[in-house]
Amino acid sequence: RKEVEQDPGPFNVPEGATVAFNCTYSNSASQSFFWYRQDCRKEPKLLMSVYSSGNEDGRFTAQLNRASQYISLLIRDSKLSDSATYLCVVNQAGTASKLTFGTGTRLQVTL
Amino acid sequence: NAGVTQTPKFQVLKTGQSMTLQCAQDMNHEYMSWYRQDPGMGLRLIHYSVGAGITDQGEVPNGYNVSRSTTEDFPLRLLSAAPSQTSVYFCASSYGQGFGEAFFGQGTRLTVV
Repeated sequence: RKEVEQDPGPFNVPEGATVAFNCTYSNSASQSFFWYRQDCRKEPKLLMSVYSSGNEDGRFTAQLNRASQYISLLIRDSKLSDSATYLCVVNQAGTASKLTFGTGTRLQVTL
Repeated sequence: NAGVTQTPKFQVLKTGQSMTLQCAQDMNHEYMSWYRQDPGMGLRLIHYSVGAGITDQGEVPNGYNVSRSTTEDFPLRLLSAAPSQTSVYFCASSYGQGFGEAFFGQGTRLTVV
């Protein structure tokens, strides 16, 4: 079983739609959680950290469920510019700088 | 702000050749890492460093060497290139204990023929 699992998609949604991605992780000792965005042929960039209480950044909402070991990302009012691959990333306790990446979920927003 | 700078951006090697991928950061980050990204595999950690003079192996270290003589630089050496090392390589750095944001270089697309 992969340490971090994501549905690869692609998710094809019209502009203005709401879309949600889920991610599961296997190590219960995982300590920090992130969503990164990666545009085609570009480097990953941090989209947002995920906190236990859930957090929101504009149209993006991230949630963490430690009991079920999953993380979610909700994008409201999708824009064409949201088209990218979204990477779920986990950092395990005591393993500084050793991020574990999911394979990513590809989102394509269309007119 | 330069951030994390990787060179070269593209490289073609013949099997058995060696080369060094360069990575430099100007953010005074203690933590630096090298990842490779292959289709369907996600990013996998090759080597990482928690500070100058300290390096350690990641998930897929075989065939690669690293050193960290300064805070700024973290080169990755391919000892004897193999077609299985065809991949996109990313260098990353992060502040503090590495639990915060990781900043990535633009990547190096390496093809081994």
